[in-house]
Amino acid sequence: AQSVTQPDIHITVSEGASLELRCNYSYGATPYLFWYVQSPGQGLQLLLKYFSGDTLVQGIKGFEAEFKRSQSSFNLRKPSVHWSDAAEYFCAVGAPNNNDMRFGAGTRLTVKP
Amino acid sequence: DTGVSQNPRHKITKRGQNVTFRCDPISEHNRLYWYRQTLGQGPEFLTYFQNEAQLEKSRLLSDRFSAERPKGSFSTLEIQRTEQGDSAMYLCASSLGRGSYNEQFFGPGTRLTVL
Repeated sequence: AQSVTQPDIHITVSEGASLELRCNYSYGATPYLFWYVQSPGQGLQLLLKYFSGDTLVQGIKGFEAEFKRSQSSFNLRKPSVHWSDAAEYFCAVGAPNNNDMRFGAGTRLTVKP
Repeated sequence: DTGVSQNPRHKITKRGQNVTFRCDPISEHNRLYWYRQTLGQGPEFLTYFQNEAQLEKSRLLSDRFSAERPKGSFSTLEIQRTEQGDSAMYLCASSLGRGSYNEQFFGPGTRLTVL
């Protein structure tokens, strides 16, 4: 079965600085990869997803992620962080042969003024 | 707003009691998922429905848990004889289509506290 690891539990960045959140997955073939954001009291919202094609994926709110098969990674990036980006971010991996989407433990993002 | 809704938002119960949660998905969505999320962790898959059929269940779903989606619309998740370890946020999500790559839309969750 597939699995996902988010190595960073908590990251703090200054407003306006760039951001990269790490995600590593384990799966034998090309997985389906997702990034979700969860704000306090809100449901999870999909930022972007990858399942084939161009390995650089653009999402909502100015986020992008790059699928790197050789590194089994799908890191999330944003060139300039806004205070409203403070939230919990989850990487998730799915597979074509099952419906069991596996989430990482999440990375909590704090944005300093 | 026609997003996914869950009721109740919070439930406090005593150990050994039964609880039931309801999820109303986005109306045209044929797939409905249940997840459990504990503090500091990501959501863990519990089960999913394709219309009214429950097609997959996680090992996490012990025999004290049962889920239904009687007419392929709303779903209920019941926990019998609750234990303190059942305290968690229970999330519902829905999606349109047959593939697992389709976007899942999540509800706000039901937070269960078992005393």
